[in-house]
Amino acid sequence: GDSVTQTEGPVTVSESESLIINCTYSATSIAYPNLFWYVRYPGEGLQLLLKVITAGQKGSSRGFEATYNKETTSFHLQKASVQESDSAVYYCALGDPASSGSWQLIFGSGTQLTVMP
Amino acid sequence: GALVYQYPRRTICKSGTSMRMECQAVGFQATSVAWYRQSPQKTFELIALSTVNSAIKYEQNFTQEKFPISHPNLSFSSMTVLNAYLEDRGLYLCGARQGQNSDYTFGSGTRLLVI
Repeated sequence: GDSVTQTEGPVTVSESESLIINCTYSATSIAYPNLFWYVRYPGEGLQLLLKVITAGQKGSSRGFEATYNKETTSFHLQKASVQESDSAVYYCALGDPASSGSWQLIFGSGTQLTVMP
Repeated sequence: GALVYQYPRRTICKSGTSMRMECQAVGFQATSVAWYRQSPQKTFELIALSTVNSAIKYEQNFTQEKFPISHPNLSFSSMTVLNAYLEDRGLYLCGARQGQNSDYTFGSGTRLLVI
């Protein structure tokens, strides 16, 4: 079936360190999946961080970036230098743009990130 | 910008009772609304998708009898958890979007505790 697997949390890093949160997907019923990273800050709803709809492309936002790699079915989230304000839960997700009426997002389990000052 | 207000933020209900949560879209027309649940230690599961002028589509393991949804206009949707039990506890999230080519905007969630 279709699924998303991402780095188990919690993840703790120090400010200014680099970060990578792994995400791999399985899209057996979706021909051209769209890939997303969502973030949920404490007390807030899910916010779209970045998305990529074409294999081989890279998405970036707020210093984060992720490349849609169809060969390895991966969409790892990276940031060169994290800040304390990046502390949140990060969700990798895939969506089917071809689903009729609307689409369904399939989420990973979420990765809790804590950035220490 | 597009915003979705979801309320209540958290609620406690007694086992066997029901509770209703609501979402209000501001700044755009919510032609589609998706309701998700995140149970403890799990990821977000889609409960149902509601599209204006179409039947509400429930996912496997979720039914209209248990989670009735109302989507009466382009700015509002509500979902009720009927006869709530322990396994219904978790974070419920609504997401709304306008048209098929835009991304969903999510509310802040309703955390349900059942005692």
